[in-house]
Amino acid sequence: ETGVTQTPRHLVMGMTNKKSLKCEQHLGHNAMYWYKQSAKKPLELMFVYNFKEQTENNSVPSRFSPECPNSSHLFLHLHTLQPEDSALYLCASSLGGGDGYTFGSGTRLTVV
Amino acid sequence: GESVGLHLPTLSVQEGDNSIINCAYSNSASDYFIWYKQESGKGPQFIIDIRSNMDKRQGQRVTVLLNKTVKHLSLQIAATQPGDSAVYFCAETRQGAQKLVFGQGTRLTINP
Repeated sequence: ETGVTQTPRHLVMGMTNKKSLKCEQHLGHNAMYWYKQSAKKPLELMFVYNFKEQTENNSVPSRFSPECPNSSHLFLHLHTLQPEDSALYLCASSLGGGDGYTFGSGTRLTVV
Repeated sequence: GESVGLHLPTLSVQEGDNSIINCAYSNSASDYFIWYKQESGKGPQFIIDIRSNMDKRQGQRVTVLLNKTVKHLSLQIAATQPGDSAVYFCAETRQGAQKLVFGQGTRLTINP
């Protein structure tokens, strides 16, 4: 366990479904992140939250909707996804800056 | 065995040999660099880091070298073991920035 917990570990959803990914950290970190990891691609930063305020949206389509109710929890709400959105979605947290950057184990998402 | 930049995504070495994984970073303003290891089914895990005021840092069986002149980073793993099989990513950031920028990754395979 890294201290960053993601649920579910695996998710299969249809293109018309609505689902949510959850991330939780109890490391006392201030910043939380969503990354997308596709086959043969570098990790792609999606969103950054700092003290539960969104500080970066890396041109992510609106079918991905993040929510950060507090510094310990981060959600990614999914709706009307496309098959090309199938990937490993990784949550990370940090103290702020690059220090203490810790990843969860990810949610393997398959869109059918 | 040795990989070159981001254009050789796989590296195979014999168990017990030393491995060198290379990474070319892009931002000359970056001042903090991290190597991550990602095993199958897991998120990236911190291995070792280095700040730009250093050119070498050693850990347990791992050494990171930084050449700021040519913007090059390398990870040396001594006496590789089967458990070293994974994908290795370099990441760069600069002081005050929250996000890490990741390289493509190199898959290291250890042959018995």
